[in-house]
Order: sequence, then C-alpha cells, then structure tokens
Amino acid sequence: EAGVTQFPSHSVIEKGQTVTLRCDPISGHDNLYWYRRVMGKEIKFLLHFVKESKQDESGMPNNRFLAERTGGTYSTLKVQPAELEDSGVYFCASSQDRDRETQYFGPGTRLLVL
Amino acid sequence: RKEVEQDPGPFNVPEGATVAFNCTYSNSASQSFFWYRQDCRKEPKLLMSVYSSGNEDGRFTAQLNRASQYISLLIRDSKLSDSATYLCVVNRDGGFKTIFGAGTRLFVKA
Repeated sequence: EAGVTQFPSHSVIEKGQTVTLRCDPISGHDNLYWYRRVMGKEIKFLLHFVKESKQDESGMPNNRFLAERTGGTYSTLKVQPAELEDSGVYFCASSQDRDRETQYFGPGTRLLVL
Repeated sequence: RKEVEQDPGPFNVPEGATVAFNCTYSNSASQSFFWYRQDCRKEPKLLMSVYSSGNEDGRFTAQLNRASQYISLLIRDSKLSDSATYLCVVNRDGGFKTIFGAGTRLFVKA
C-alpha cells in the first residue's frame, strides 16, 4: 500500500512569490492533516480535512495560507505571498475514519523563502 | 508555557543502556497519548500509543499518569538504530487536535 506522498520535496522561492504544496493521502483515508515545523520549534497543527470539508483550520497562521481538498482526495496548501517566516518543513498526514488517531505522515516539503 | 513539554536532551548513551524520556502535558482535557519517532530529515512515525495501564512493545515501555499529566517512554538495551528524536504527542478535542512536543534527541553510541 502506498504511503502519504508530498510534492515537491523541496522548494526555494523568493519573498513575495507563491508556492503550492501538494499532499496525496493514503487511499481511503478521509482525514487529512497539514502540519508545519519551523526550525528549532515543535511540529504545529495547521488544519484538518474530513473528506473535502475543513474540520478545523484553527492552526492556519494567517490569510496568506489557503488549503483545499477538492473531491476529497489530494490536498493543496498554497502560500501567497510567501514571507521569510514561512520557511520550514510542511508535513501532511492522513488517517482512516475508524482509527483516526493513527496518523501516517508524508515525507514533508522543505520550504525555504529567501 | 508549551502545552506539551519534553526535555530536549540530547541524551548520549552507550549501546545496551536503559534510557527514559519524560513528557508533561498541561491540558487536562487531553484524551490520547502517543510516542512518535523521527529520524533526521524524515517524517514522524508512530512508535506506540500510551495507556494508563502501561504498554510494552519489545524493548519499549510507555506509561501514562493522568493524575500527574505525565507520560514516559523507557527504552531497554539501547541499539545504535534507536538514535533518533522521540516526540511526545497528545490528542484532544475528540482526537482531532494533535499537539506535538518539541522532541527529545537520543544518540546511542557503540
């Protein structure tokens, strides 16, 4: 069974540019989560989808971040315009509805904003 | 104060040693508890869930003390391959809100 995949693995952009991160959850997993780890800090929750609906987006830092999960399959996280403090590792995770607390993480996207 | 606190370490131990990690959480509404392992530049991977009755998986033993809001992980007979960062993780709000500790770094040396 394929795990959670994320694309790209790395992204280097300039301040003010736009970046879109993609996450493909494990097939059949209704729950999809985005997290971020800023250097030297703990992993922090950004938001949670159940199928195509946003269950909780309380962790989204500001309105420069937009997450979507059209069709309830893959998800995208767009940062527009990117700022220096957005640099970090963005992880996606997914879980089944019957065992939603067992989350499987993707390898992450390393974002560097210059 | 962080909601989940861990000693960042690093813990430097020889092979074969027993090492214990501790974690405290501040939100009494926390419902479920986990230890994850994260290797350098990799994603977190679930190591084990933590229950009040304690649970053991081979060389790893986890324990939860709800009264003290304290979680522990014990690793016996440490192996070189145990070198990693160990993340204490707490779920609340129906299991949908996941809070990570900053992690404890372990180095096991030959």
